[in-house]
Amino acid sequence: AQKVTQAQTEISVVEKEDVTLDCVYETRDTTYYLFWYKQPPSGELVFLIRRNSFDEQNEISGRYSWNFQKSTSSFNFTITASQVVDSAVYFCALSDTDSSYKLIFGSGTRLLVRP
Amino acid sequence: DAGVTQSPTHLIKTRGQQVTLRCSPKSGHDTVSWYQQALGQGPQFIFQYYEEEERQRGNFPDRFSGHQFPNYSSELNVNALLLGDSALYLCASSLGGTGGFVGEQYFGPGTRLTVT
Repeated sequence: AQKVTQAQTEISVVEKEDVTLDCVYETRDTTYYLFWYKQPPSGELVFLIRRNSFDEQNEISGRYSWNFQKSTSSFNFTITASQVVDSAVYFCALSDTDSSYKLIFGSGTRLLVRP
Repeated sequence: DAGVTQSPTHLIKTRGQQVTLRCSPKSGHDTVSWYQQALGQGPQFIFQYYEEEERQRGNFPDRFSGHQFPNYSSELNVNALLLGDSALYLCASSLGGTGGFVGEQYFGPGTRLTVT
């Protein structure tokens, strides 16, 4: 069965620190997609990235970077030089051939960036 | 470019009542998915509508039903409300033709439902 585990419930850092959010997934499929979403206090989930299982290249977008490692079934998210505006709950999600059109979310990691 | 909109923002209902939540997808999107997010948890998939048909359903009872209109907007109906139905209900829109996999789903701000 598919599963997404975000073991870090809450992380607190001081502004300008780097922080990595962990995501471990389980799937029997060889074809699947992984996602990260940000949920600020307003409640709306903001799409950050979608990555397919055949693309293991790390991706960087500004202060955000993602490390996809199939060998350890992990898709970790790093924020460099964190800012107060990064404070939110971050969700990792999976979609594979069994789940097809739906996203299977982890339980989320609450990030608090203190000034 | 209008994003996903949902109404109402907040709703308070009594056990046993029925509720209807509404969603308008992002411009250009034809697929709507509904998720339930309990406090402190990740969203759980309820169902998805594409071409006015329910294309996939999560592990939710028949009390949860939906509809998609020709303009792609959607409604989520919940009958015989239980206390456990209290949650944030999120609507997400996407393009349907993604070869069997979910595309980039864009979420609305959600409807906070409280059942007393």
